[in-house]
Amino acid sequence: GAVVSQHPSWVICKSGTSVKIECRSLDFQATTMFWYRQFPKQSLMLMATSNEGSKATYEQGVEKDKFLINHASLTLSTLTVTSAHPEDSSFYICSAHSPSGRAGNEQFFGPGTRLTVL
Amino acid sequence: GESVGLHLPTLSVQEGDNSIINCAYSNSASDYFIWYKQESGKGPQFIIDIRSNMDKRQGQRVTVLLNKTVKHLSLQIAATQPGDSAVYFCAENRRRGGATNKLIFGTGTLLAVQP
Repeated sequence: GAVVSQHPSWVICKSGTSVKIECRSLDFQATTMFWYRQFPKQSLMLMATSNEGSKATYEQGVEKDKFLINHASLTLSTLTVTSAHPEDSSFYICSAHSPSGRAGNEQFFGPGTRLTVL
Repeated sequence: GESVGLHLPTLSVQEGDNSIINCAYSNSASDYFIWYKQESGKGPQFIIDIRSNMDKRQGQRVTVLLNKTVKHLSLQIAATQPGDSAVYFCAENRRRGGATNKLIFGTGTLLAVQP
């Protein structure tokens, strides 16, 4: 159980276009989902916390107008990279929080989405 | 951004040997720590966790040690196998008042197992 999927697994887009990435919890409901960005050979950096039915909480330095997050249901959160530029090329990973998980705090991670902006 | 630091960015071990990956964390109020394994092009995979009221926890071939005095965490892998080759991250569970806790990831250690 506790499976999280992401779609697409990879995407290539032209500079200036927008890209939407989906994160789904397949067998549990997640009131909270998280979006991370990971550059090559670097760690995961939290971008934002997505709460179902409310506005996302963005980490310092992350532009909320560029990285639009929507968490319209208990099983789906989307991240839209607007007006993408080559420097937005990265590995985007989501996680879904399950309060019934280990220690009541477990996050279950998706497989990631590789974004390449040309 | 915030991060939990690691001492060794790359660790090369012989198959069958034991591996020790270290991590230093910054927030003494953190009460829960997790080790993740990440293979190339994949999301993090849970390995083992430990609460702050413990100093040692064992799993299958893995042991996590926590030293709160010096804010240090380590992951020990016994009889390291080629399939253990990956990047390993420690993560610190950071409380945020009434909001859901967030994870702060360390910089990662690449474990390379030599046959």
